[in-house]
Amino acid sequence: NAGVTQTPKFRILKIGQSMTLQCTQDMNHNYMYWYRQDPGMGLKLIYYSVGAGITDKGEVPNGYNVSRSTTEDFPLRLELAAPSQTSVYFCASSYLTNWDTGELFFGEGSRLTVL
Amino acid sequence: AQSVSQHNHHVILSEAASLELGCNYSYGGTVNLFWYVQYPGQHLQLLLKYFSGDPLVKGIKGFEAEFIKSKFSFNLRKPSVQWSDTAEYFCAVSSSNTGKLIFGQGTTLQVKP
Repeated sequence: NAGVTQTPKFRILKIGQSMTLQCTQDMNHNYMYWYRQDPGMGLKLIYYSVGAGITDKGEVPNGYNVSRSTTEDFPLRLELAAPSQTSVYFCASSYLTNWDTGELFFGEGSRLTVL
Repeated sequence: AQSVSQHNHHVILSEAASLELGCNYSYGGTVNLFWYVQYPGQHLQLLLKYFSGDPLVKGIKGFEAEFIKSKFSFNLRKPSVQWSDTAEYFCAVSSSNTGKLIFGQGTTLQVKP
């Protein structure tokens, strides 16, 4: 099993450009999440999904969009990139919810720089 | 607001020293508690978790953590660290109120050989 796969691993964007971070998991997990990690700030939840066709906002959703058309895929879209979106992005999935003590499985991260 | 706080941002230890990393949270209601670790160049992985029962939980690689409800704390400990424990450690909490997993700021541990 590949687990959670994110692409690309690195990307440099110009201000105003758009892009999509891809995330796919092969564990048949219902729950998927996008976090961003900034130095000294920990991980902040951007969006999450409890199943195909269902998404919801996390702590820091502004400037991002997501979709969940299949169980496997949960892409994150940046429509108008801004320097404040320079960060490392992590996709994660879980079989159960956090509340049900489900363990999150993380991808390797995508480092995005907006100049 | 709900929050998770890790007081130690950067810890440097020599091999065989004892480790304790602090984690405090501010949540109402029942909580589930986690420690995740991120080794250099790798993705985050679960170190240990607490959801009920014995407040002293043991995880992988000799780590343990104690849930002290009265202090809203879930500190991570290891009696004797190794160079391979060099990593970033994240405390995380989910509550019955939100169901979402909220992370602390992270603590970078550097173990000198």
